[in-house]
Amino acid sequence: ELKVEQNPLFLSMQEGKNYTIYCNYSTTSDRLYWYRQDPGKSLESLFVLLSNGAVKQEGRLMASLDTKARLSTLHITAAVHDLSATYFCAVAHGGNTGKLIFGQGTTLQVKP
Amino acid sequence: NAGVTQTPKFQVLKTGQSMTLQCAQDMNHNSMYWYRQDPGMGLRLIYYSASEGTTDKGEVPNGYNVSRLNKREFSLRLESAAPSQTSVYFCASSELRTGTGNTIYFGEGSWLTVV
Repeated sequence: ELKVEQNPLFLSMQEGKNYTIYCNYSTTSDRLYWYRQDPGKSLESLFVLLSNGAVKQEGRLMASLDTKARLSTLHITAAVHDLSATYFCAVAHGGNTGKLIFGQGTTLQVKP
Repeated sequence: NAGVTQTPKFQVLKTGQSMTLQCAQDMNHNSMYWYRQDPGMGLRLIYYSASEGTTDKGEVPNGYNVSRLNKREFSLRLESAAPSQTSVYFCASSELRTGTGNTIYFGEGSWLTVV
């Protein structure tokens, strides 16, 4: 059974600081997703990581994937208040079906 | 471009009542999904449809039925609502292609309360 665990679950940080969210998963997968969710809103796709060593960056966010370690990281550089949200990783399973197993989510609070 | 559209956005049901959540996508995607999100948790897959005319169970299918009406529409039905089905429901769609980005797009969510 595929399990996905994120840590930390809650992160309070000051603007300008760097931090990393970790996503561990228990069985092999060929695809990992990162989403952002604002309170009461839908999920916004951030990154799709397809292969070992994949690294993608968008603004202050950078995601990487290590399939051998079954680990993905979401690194936040010089955080700003607008990045406050809940971040989910999700791992694809069951072949190329798009079925996702989600982590519990990491709530990020960036203080001015 | 509307993307994935869900209705209704909010609904309150009494225990034992039935209702259908509607979902439509305008991106010509083959695959569609229904997830639920409970407080403080990630999303869990209820049902999915890989293509028109096919449906399959996800992690938490009990108490739900689905219909893939056509390529655009995928509905979720609660036949006899229970308080445990109080949740936020998200519909999603994707065009899955081997080796490409395969972004999965989510709707705005439907807030369902069963009293």
